[in-house]
Amino acid sequence: DAGVIQSPRHEVTEMGQEVTLRCKPISGHDYLFWYRQTMMRGLELLIYFNNNVPIDDSGMPEDRFSAKMPNASFSTLKIQPSEPRDSAVYFCASSLGGGGYSGNTIYFGEGSWLTVV
Amino acid sequence: GEDVEQSLFLSVREGDSSVINCTYTDSSSTYLYWYKQEPGAGLQLLTYIFSNMDMKQDQRLTVLLNKKDKHLSLRIADTQTGDSAIYFCASLRSGNTGKLIFGQGTTLQVKP
Repeated sequence: DAGVIQSPRHEVTEMGQEVTLRCKPISGHDYLFWYRQTMMRGLELLIYFNNNVPIDDSGMPEDRFSAKMPNASFSTLKIQPSEPRDSAVYFCASSLGGGGYSGNTIYFGEGSWLTVV
Repeated sequence: GEDVEQSLFLSVREGDSSVINCTYTDSSSTYLYWYKQEPGAGLQLLTYIFSNMDMKQDQRLTVLLNKKDKHLSLRIADTQTGDSAIYFCASLRSGNTGKLIFGQGTTLQVKP
């Protein structure tokens, strides 16, 4: 089975440029999550979708960040304009049922390693 | 607020058992997870335990949960050099779908 697929794996960009991170969840999963990992803040949830609809975006740091899920097999996280403090690893994850009562596990992709210089 | 705490570093010798500890504050946590992250890689789910269980065993891994003390541990038997990684404890709150609260991660170093 293919896992959660993210692209690009690594990106280096200049401050002020637009960055688009992409994610393909596991087929059949109805929940999709975007997490960010930094040394200072650890792993934090940015936003999650259920059936392509954003449910909780309270973790999105500011208006420069936006996420979309146009269909069940694709999601993007966009940063415009990017800043050096956005440098982090961005993980996409997916699950069937969102975890919780169903106990369905949340599977992570390999991450997109972003450096903004 | 919700918080998950872990010790930052553990060093063991190959063949010994490793015990990684975690404490959490949210008493409504329904599921607790252990993830492994190898250098430069993503998060790999190792195991999880439902809050009404005390113990779960899966091959070399044993998870112990003390719900009263909000304490979770992961024991790795016969630790191998390939087990060297960062181990994250995470809690999932009841009714808060998908919002995993992660600990800071414990770096496990296995010496040959």
